[in-house]
Order: sequence, then structure tokens, then C-alpha cells
Amino acid sequence: DARVTQTPRHKVTEMGQEVTMRCQPILGHNTVFWYRQTMMQGLELLAYFRNRAPLDDSGMPKDRFSAEMPDATLATLKIQPSEPRDSAVYFCASGYTPGQGTDTQYFGPGTRLTVL
Amino acid sequence: GNSVTQMEGPVTLSEEAFLTINCTYTATGYPSLFWYVQYPGEGLQLLLKATKADDKGSNKGFEATYRKETTSFHLEKGSVQVSDSAVYFCALTNSGGYQKVTFGTGTKLQVIP
Repeated sequence: DARVTQTPRHKVTEMGQEVTMRCQPILGHNTVFWYRQTMMQGLELLAYFRNRAPLDDSGMPKDRFSAEMPDATLATLKIQPSEPRDSAVYFCASGYTPGQGTDTQYFGPGTRLTVL
Repeated sequence: GNSVTQMEGPVTLSEEAFLTINCTYTATGYPSLFWYVQYPGEGLQLLLKATKADDKGSNKGFEATYRKETTSFHLEKGSVQVSDSAVYFCALTNSGGYQKVTFGTGTKLQVIP
């Protein structure tokens, strides 16, 4: 049963610290999404990769957030420096698109980030 | 642009009651429509989908029919169980080219014994 994995599952840090979240997409998937979920804003798309290339990161605060895919089995989302308003659950999702469009997304369990 | 509007929750039902969660959308072209479910402490998972008008998606007793004339994709279940308590998200994506998935705000369902 293939699943998206995310680490860590929980992270508590102090304001100003760097936070790195990792995601392993399902083997064979070529699209990766990063989402942030909060009670106030709901589910927000932060970044989208296809075939490891960033296609859309318009939802991501550029001054402190960065997203990369160093290889097909690893996606990272980094926050530097972190702020209390970054506290949220961060989800990674992967999927497969053969050429155009997107279809079903498979979500990981999320990383719950608390910035004090 | 694309948008999805869901009925606001929370929705509280007794076990075995009939469930309807309304979803309407705005999109260009012919979107694919989805319902995702999020159980407490977990990520979203696909519940069902429909890719063209008049298609009916179904899974685990849930159904939704793609109604292009009313731009709706309402979720229904004839008899809910306590284990159905979760947050339900309606979503859409356009085919062709890169298209983000547009999610609704989610509707929380609580089923009481």
C-alpha cells in the first residue's frame, strides 16, 4: 500500500529558527504539492512541482519559505526564519499526470508545526 | 478563476440519518470534480470523483453526481455512521495544461450515536 510519507510529524520550535520538512512522494508519481492548513485560512497551496521542476510557488511567502526537490524521492519545504504565524499543519501530496492536467492527489499525514 | 463553494458546517446528524453536503463550483471548460475526506489527525484522501457531466462517483456508500446544468456536485449518503465523522472537501481541477486543484473550505460532519 503505497503512501506519501512526511517527516517530522510534529515540530515545536522557537521564533527565528530554521524549520525543514521532508516529504517522500509515492514511487512513480511525478507531481508534488505542498499545502498549509489552518483553521482561519483553510487549505492553501504553497508550491507545486512536476517532474521535479517548480511550476507554481505563487502561494508561498518568498522571503522566508523555499521548496525544492533534490531528487524524485524527496521534496523539502524550508522556513527560515520561522515566525509564530507559520504555525499550521503542512501537507505534502503527490500524484501522476501523464501529460496535461492533474488528477487524484495522495496526501501525506502532515507535519504539525508550532512556532513559539 | 475557478472556485468551489460548500455549505458551511458543522453538520451534526444522528447515526443512520441521510446526509447531503452541498457543493457548487465555478470553472471554465469541463472540470473534473472530487470529494476528499479528512479524518482527525490525518491528511486528505480521495473519497470519489467524476470527470464529466452526468457521471456519478461513488465509494463507501457515498455518492455525488456531476450536474453541469446547475454546476453542482452534492455529496450524499443514505445512512451515516459514527465512523463517517470527518471533514469533507469538494474540489475541482481543469483538464489540459497545468491546473491547480481548487478546494472548497471543507464541511465538518459529526455523527452522534
